[in-house]
Amino acid sequence: DVKVTQSSRYLVKRTGEKVFLECVQDMDHENMFWYRQDPGLGLRLIYFSYDVKMKEKGDIPEGYSVSREKKERFSLILESASTNQTSMYLCASSPTGTPPNYGYTFGSGTRLTVV
Amino acid sequence: GEDVEQSLFLSVREGDSSVINCTYTDSSSTYLYWYKQEPGAGLQLLTYIFSNMDMKQDQRLTVLLNKKDKHLSLRIADTQTGDSAIYFCAEKTAGNKLTFGGGTRVLVKP
Repeated sequence: DVKVTQSSRYLVKRTGEKVFLECVQDMDHENMFWYRQDPGLGLRLIYFSYDVKMKEKGDIPEGYSVSREKKERFSLILESASTNQTSMYLCASSPTGTPPNYGYTFGSGTRLTVV
Repeated sequence: GEDVEQSLFLSVREGDSSVINCTYTDSSSTYLYWYKQEPGAGLQLLTYIFSNMDMKQDQRLTVLLNKKDKHLSLRIADTQTGDSAIYFCAEKTAGNKLTFGGGTRVLVKP
């Protein structure tokens, strides 16, 4: 089974801190994604990556950046955390190939609280 | 543009059928998906349907697609307490991105 592992389940950070959220997948997937999930708003795409060192902005990239130095790892960076970035963050990966494998595999999520 | 909408909440009695509805706007969608999220967990792919199909059945799950109205539904037969979760529909359009709905929280009452 594909595993997508997010390094922390819960994080509490202070306003202004630089925050790193890590995501690792073990099935050689080309595509990786970062979403945030907020009640009533569903999942909103922050950034995604189709390949190593490649990144594309999603729908809400402001205040975030990403890094993909290795194929298996996709990091989300909050340059200066703010309280409105308190949320559940979900990482996902998918292979490039014949559908329906375009369905994503998700990690368990990191619940970030910024105080 | 892409927009996927779902109702926020559904309450159902154990043993009854649940029907979760979803509307989408992008007519170029190729695949549509249903995901389940249990408390404290990530999203788990439940089922999918290709856009040229009208219906797909997988054990207790039935997916209906009305492409003309851009309406997707998920029916869960004989709903169990373990089916209590948030259900997301998602559409795949050009490229390799999925657009998700806001999620429907399903509460199964004994």
